Amino acid sequence: DAKTTQPTSMDCAEGRAANLPCNHSTISGNEYVYWYRQIHSQGPQYIIHGLKNNETNEMASLIITEDRKSSTLILPHATLRDTAVYYCIVLKQRTNQFYFGTGTSLTVIP
Amino acid sequence: NAGVTQTPKFRILKIGQSMTLQCTQDMNHNYMYWYRQDPGMGLKLIYYSVGAGITDKGEVPNGYNVSRSTTEDFPLRLELAAPSQTSVYFCAIRGEADTQYFGPGTRLTVL
Repeated sequence: DAKTTQPTSMDCAEGRAANLPCNHSTISGNEYVYWYRQIHSQGPQYIIHGLKNNETNEMASLIITEDRKSSTLILPHATLRDTAVYYCIVLKQRTNQFYFGTGTSLTVIP
Repeated sequence: NAGVTQTPKFRILKIGQSMTLQCTQDMNHNYMYWYRQDPGMGLKLIYYSVGAGITDKGEVPNGYNVSRSTTEDFPLRLELAAPSQTSVYFCAIRGEADTQYFGPGTRLTVL
């Protein structure tokens, strides 16, 4: 099964870029990497996803290494509202199951 | 959380009681999921469905049952509640580009 590992927690100064890493060394060729975040006890919210190319949207950028064994979510200008738990997820298409990692608790400091 | 509703929002059960957690979507998507989230932990998949009449087990299915008679509804049943089932339960659908949309959650306490 394609599991992910993430640091337990990180801090980031407000206005600075937040770089959140994720390891997914057992990822298969057709599996995508998804990032979600969860604020307080709300349902997780989709941020971005990618296969092997770098991706950018209005919320964040996703950098995937060439060997696809790791990725980094970048929040370019972190705000206090970005304080949340961030989950890196691999879509294992064969079983249709999303495997949530341990998540990184990001605290944006004023 | 638009398009995915869950009821109830909160519930307290006694050990051995049963209940059904409701999940309804109005987005006409085939894939639906049930997760549980224990305090301070990530989400774990309980059951999922790829369409009406089709369900399959996830990581932690023991103690739960599901059914999927319509595209819109995917109820989760607890037959004999145990304290270990105290958790927050999230329902989700899988939409375009395989992104998941989550409901607001049901907070369940078993005493």
